Amino acid sequence: DAKTTQPNSMESNEEEPVHLPCNHSTISGTDYIHWYRQLPSQGPEYVIHGLTSNVNNRMASLAIAEDRKSSTLILHRATLRDAAVYYCILRDVMDDMRFGAGTRLTVKP
Amino acid sequence: DTEVTQTPKHLVMGMTNKKSLKCEQHMGHRAMYWYKQKAKKPPELMFVYSYEKLSINESVPSRFSPECPNSSLLNLHLHALQPEDSALYLCASSPRQGALGTEAFFGQGTRLTVV
Repeated sequence: DAKTTQPNSMESNEEEPVHLPCNHSTISGTDYIHWYRQLPSQGPEYVIHGLTSNVNNRMASLAIAEDRKSSTLILHRATLRDAAVYYCILRDVMDDMRFGAGTRLTVKP
Repeated sequence: DTEVTQTPKHLVMGMTNKKSLKCEQHMGHRAMYWYKQKAKKPPELMFVYSYEKLSINESVPSRFSPECPNSSLLNLHLHALQPEDSALYLCASSPRQGALGTEAFFGQGTRLTVV
């Protein structure tokens, strides 16, 4: 039983914003929402994480629903380098860092 | 130094061979992870070490044997593997298991081919 649900794939045009959704309806009060991405032929890399409030960093923004049952990763201006598989992960008290299927983002020039 | 270094980058081994994968980090992290990733699939958790002790074993076959000799090093010993074990093996580290508000760092992986 998956802890998170993401669309299999999404497309974006270069220099346009991208909103990547994630559903996590069974989230518990202590679960942190983490996003990682995996570029082709590389290991996953950290993007952003949050608990309850929206978060911004140099790579992206994370918008968390008020009930915490969903979140959205926002890339403000997609570049070709952002083409990757994006994973939404709940880190719980067991901290088992389990990956769901992820969303494959294609960025078109 | 925010790197997780995995060696070797590529490994080809026969089904009767014994080999080891190595993972090293010098960030002072006390949680380390092994993942297996098949092509076009997400990483699958194999093992988690916390303070050099095995914390999670995802019912991985005994032909995979993890070892954490010190706080900087994580090994995965391989013996009598099958061709279906061919995959990318990823190592990751995190400040502490349960430090949920911190990021994990991943290595670039070892591409293993079993012939």
